[in-house]
Amino acid sequence: GENVEQHPSTLSVQEGDSAVIKCTYSDSASNYFPWYKQELGKGPQLIIDIRSNVGEKKDQRIAVTLNKTAKHFSLHITETQPEDSAVYFCAARAQGGSEKLVFGKGTKLTVNP
Amino acid sequence: KAGVTQTPRYLIKTRGQQVTLSCSPISGHRSVSWYQQTPGQGLQFLFEYFSETQRNKGNFPGRFSGRQFSNSRSEMNVSTLELGDSALYLCASSLGSSNTGELFFGEGSRLTVL
Repeated sequence: GENVEQHPSTLSVQEGDSAVIKCTYSDSASNYFPWYKQELGKGPQLIIDIRSNVGEKKDQRIAVTLNKTAKHFSLHITETQPEDSAVYFCAARAQGGSEKLVFGKGTKLTVNP
Repeated sequence: KAGVTQTPRYLIKTRGQQVTLSCSPISGHRSVSWYQQTPGQGLQFLFEYFSETQRNKGNFPGRFSGRQFSNSRSEMNVSTLELGDSALYLCASSLGSSNTGELFFGEGSRLTVL
């Protein structure tokens, strides 16, 4: 079945720096790749997603890139702020009728003021 | 527009008991999925329902079950609780009509088994 690896597990940056989180997936049939942010005591919140027909997508300070050949995708956060501190999860979904997502183990991002 | 609502938010049970968790999806969403989140295993898929039918099922024992009602609300049940069932149970909803549709999560139900 699908497997998603996520690195690093923890990431600490200074306010204003950039943060990059990387994920690889195993199922070449995967065609949808969302990223979620989870704050303490809350459910995961979708922050950006990318579909397999697109190589890059940007939304203000957040961008995601997808390399289908290498089967990896990355989240880039620029000009980080303390409120970006949270756990970030990548996920992948294979083609077909189901909407099941397979998640990476998460990255705890800490932005130091 | 109201988000995904899960009840109860917190509950404590003892081994051997059973528990029922409830999820109300976003209005208009027809698909509901359930995930178990633990520190060790992360987010694990339990099952997915669409139009009252189970569309997919994860690798969990038969003690875990679910259902969806005609109004798209969903419940999941865990019988004969074990200590290892302590987790955050997350419900997510989506339109269900597209394989690349967005999934929206609720705040979760935190279950503690003593």
